[in-house]
Amino acid sequence: QTVVTQEPSLTVSPGGTVTLTCASSTGAVTSGYYPNWFQQKPGQVPTSLIYSTTNKRSWTPARFSGSLLGGKAALTLSGVQPDDEAEYYCLLYFVGDQIWVFGGGTKLTVL
Amino acid sequence: EVQVVESGGGLVKPGGSLRLSCEFPGFTFTDAWMTWVRQAPGKGLEWVGRIKTEMEGGTTTYAAPVKGRFTISRDDSKNILSLEMNNLKTEDTAVYYCTTRDQPTDWGQGSLVTVSS
Repeated sequence: QTVVTQEPSLTVSPGGTVTLTCASSTGAVTSGYYPNWFQQKPGQVPTSLIYSTTNKRSWTPARFSGSLLGGKAALTLSGVQPDDEAEYYCLLYFVGDQIWVFGGGTKLTVL
Repeated sequence: EVQVVESGGGLVKPGGSLRLSCEFPGFTFTDAWMTWVRQAPGKGLEWVGRIKTEMEGGTTTYAAPVKGRFTISRDDSKNILSLEMNNLKTEDTAVYYCTTRDQPTDWGQGSLVTVSS
């Protein structure tokens, strides 16, 4: 069974920088996994932030960026704001089975 | 912003069936692959499955926990995406989201499905 792993929780200070990562049990994450990132605040519908590793949606704030880092997909927030406190989920595509798998989510606290 | 009109959802007994639908007025539905995602209470997101365009045969793919029980379909004449759920189990209790595209872009508000005796 394919597993996608994220940090369960991270804490960052306002104005700081934080990187969330997303790993695959099958090996290194590459652009062929089309990493996506989503933000979900309590009681709200998830919002797409990043698709295909690095591409931002029209509504994605400039402080969010996606990349590949050390064999994982990564989401970096620069100049973190209190409003960024949320759960963040990554999503990877597994071409062999033609399925997508979400990571377990990272709860980001801004403190 | 893509408008989504959802219907369906509710309480059903284990072993029962339920159908969810999402209408996407004003969206270029015909050209888009569409995806369903669910979220159990207090849990993370789970990819359920997706459907390709009718031009590509409307091919569907499902996550292992729902394969053989759930069916995704589309009606391009009405811009409607549907999820037929059969032989429901208590672990299927979740909010079900319909989303646009293979890489989920626009999300519906979600429909709560509760499977309980």
